[in-house]
Amino acid sequence: EAGVAQSPRYKIIEKRQSVAFWCNPISGHATLYWYQQILGQGPKLLIQFQNNGVVDDSQLPKDRFSAERLKGVDSTLKIQPAKLEDSAVYLCASSQGGTGELFFGEGSRLTVL
Amino acid sequence: GEDVEQSLFLSVREGDSSVINCTYTDSSSTYLYWYKQEPGAGLQLLTYIFSNMDMKQDQRLTVLLNKKDKHLSLRIADTQTGDSAIYFCAALSNNRKLIWGLGTSLAVNP
Repeated sequence: EAGVAQSPRYKIIEKRQSVAFWCNPISGHATLYWYQQILGQGPKLLIQFQNNGVVDDSQLPKDRFSAERLKGVDSTLKIQPAKLEDSAVYLCASSQGGTGELFFGEGSRLTVL
Repeated sequence: GEDVEQSLFLSVREGDSSVINCTYTDSSSTYLYWYKQEPGAGLQLLTYIFSNMDMKQDQRLTVLLNKKDKHLSLRIADTQTGDSAIYFCAALSNNRKLIWGLGTSLAVNP
């Protein structure tokens, strides 16, 4: 069974530029999550989708971050414009039924200069 | 609000047992999880326990839950260098939100 796929693995941009991350969850998993993990911290939920609907985006900085999950399968997370404090690893995860059993991708590491 | 706390660092010798502790505040948490994160990788689910259990064993891993004190622990028997990683405790609240700790960095010394 293929795992959660994310790309790109690494991205370096300058502040005020834009960046997009892509995630393809495990086949059949209805719930998809985007987490932000800053070095030395635990994962912080940015947005949770159930199929293609948003369940929780309370911690998503909506002035600069956006996410979509078209057709309830893969998802993109966009940051525009990026700030220095957005430097982090962006983790995508999926689960079957919205339980705490999450399957994570390897993450996309963003460095904002 | 809901919170999960863990000690930040633990250092053990190879072959010893490791015990990683976690406390949580939401008494209505239904499931409690342990995830492992190796350097440069995503998180991997290690084990979990349902809130009506007090112990779960899975090979070298033993999870103990004290619901009264809202305390969870993960014991790794015969710790190996490959167990060096960050271990995250997470609690699933009644409204199905997953609350994460900051992680415990386990260093295994030969």
